[in-house]
Amino acid sequence: AQSVTQLGSHVSVSEGALVLLRCNYSSSVPPYLFWYVQYPNQGLQLLLKYTSAATLVKGINGFEAEFKKSETSFHLTKPSAHMSDAAEYFCAVTRSEYGNKLVFGAGTILRVKS
Amino acid sequence: DTGVSQNPRHKITKRGQNVTFRCDPISEHNRLYWYRQTLGQGPEFLTYFQNEAQLEKSRLLSDRFSAERPKGSFSTLEIQRTEQGDSAMYLCASSLAPGNYGYTFGSGTRLTVV
Repeated sequence: AQSVTQLGSHVSVSEGALVLLRCNYSSSVPPYLFWYVQYPNQGLQLLLKYTSAATLVKGINGFEAEFKKSETSFHLTKPSAHMSDAAEYFCAVTRSEYGNKLVFGAGTILRVKS
Repeated sequence: DTGVSQNPRHKITKRGQNVTFRCDPISEHNRLYWYRQTLGQGPEFLTYFQNEAQLEKSRLLSDRFSAERPKGSFSTLEIQRTEQGDSAMYLCASSLAPGNYGYTFGSGTRLTVV
């Protein structure tokens, strides 16, 4: 079975500060991993994905994530937070053996303080 | 390409009524997924189609729920005899398959059962 754990349901940072959102996965084989962002009353927008190529993945809006197999982690970072980054972020995992469906974490709400 | 389209965006219904949602995927995508998202949770998988075939249904999908994808194009999700516990955001996503992990989500349909 595979699952995703997001540590911290709420994270608050100051504008300009580092953003770090944590995601750990459990999977018997190396998975494919994703980060999505959701603004209020909107669908999910893909930020970035890891599909077994480079372990450091760059995404949209200045976000990046690093796949660390030894730590079973895929944490999302951004060097400098912007007010527009305030949203809910979801980590998700999939494998072809599981029918390619995404399994999501519970989400982390990011608050950016001015 | 206009992305994944979901209608309606919002639906308020009385308990016991039937409701139907529609999803129009990206035209060249042959996989279509339905997810349900309740407040404070990540999206949960309900079911998915490859072309017109429904390949998997979650145990979350009770007998009151039915999904179709005639001709492998748009899909409908029907809930019969709605209950207050059905209140949620229903998300649709599409992708190419197999092996392509470019899931694209729609904006969702928010259902409120009163």
